[in-house]
Amino acid sequence: EDQVTQSPEALRLQEGESSSLNCSYTVSGLRGLFWYRQDPGKGPEFLFTLYSAGEEKEKERLKATLTKKESFLHITAPKPEDSATYLCAGLHGSSNTGKLIFGQGTTLQVKP
Amino acid sequence: DAGVIQSPRHEVTEMGQEVTLRCKPISGHDYLFWYRQTMMRGLELLIYFNNNVPIDDSGMPEDRFSAKMPNASFSTLKIQPSEPRDSAVYFCASRARGGEQYFGPGTRLTVT
Repeated sequence: EDQVTQSPEALRLQEGESSSLNCSYTVSGLRGLFWYRQDPGKGPEFLFTLYSAGEEKEKERLKATLTKKESFLHITAPKPEDSATYLCAGLHGSSNTGKLIFGQGTTLQVKP
Repeated sequence: DAGVIQSPRHEVTEMGQEVTLRCKPISGHDYLFWYRQTMMRGLELLIYFNNNVPIDDSGMPEDRFSAKMPNASFSTLKIQPSEPRDSAVYFCASRARGGEQYFGPGTRLTVT
């Protein structure tokens, strides 16, 4: 069964304290691994797509990496405005399928 | 582009009433998705369309739920009759060629 598992469920950091969020997946023929950020009361906001093991993408203080079994979202020197829930999702490998398998998310709180 | 547009943003209704949620996807996107999000169950895929055709409705919880996409720029999700357990945030998303989905702001539904 296709599954995406995120850990930890919640993470509290002090401003400037770097850390990583984990996303483990078992998705048949993964065609892409996606990271989203969701703020309270808003829809998920697209951050990154990773297509193959070894790929990395960066945006400001965030860097996403991908291996054959998991993805990491590294947060370097976070600021309070990075506080949000981060979701990862895998795109199933079957042709013509647009379905994303979402994890439960990691809620990040960055304290000043 | 204005992004994915959803209406209404908030809906409060009484049990047994019909509820219709509306979505306008991003122009040029050929996939449209309806999700439901709750604290307990996270983000659940209800149904998705490709080129206005329903592809997978296995996530629709019951026959009380129905969705249509009469053209490329409009979709509806209808609940009839509504029940308190339907209370959730409903998101619409449309998909770009790269596979990433772009979410609307959501409709917060409360059924009393």
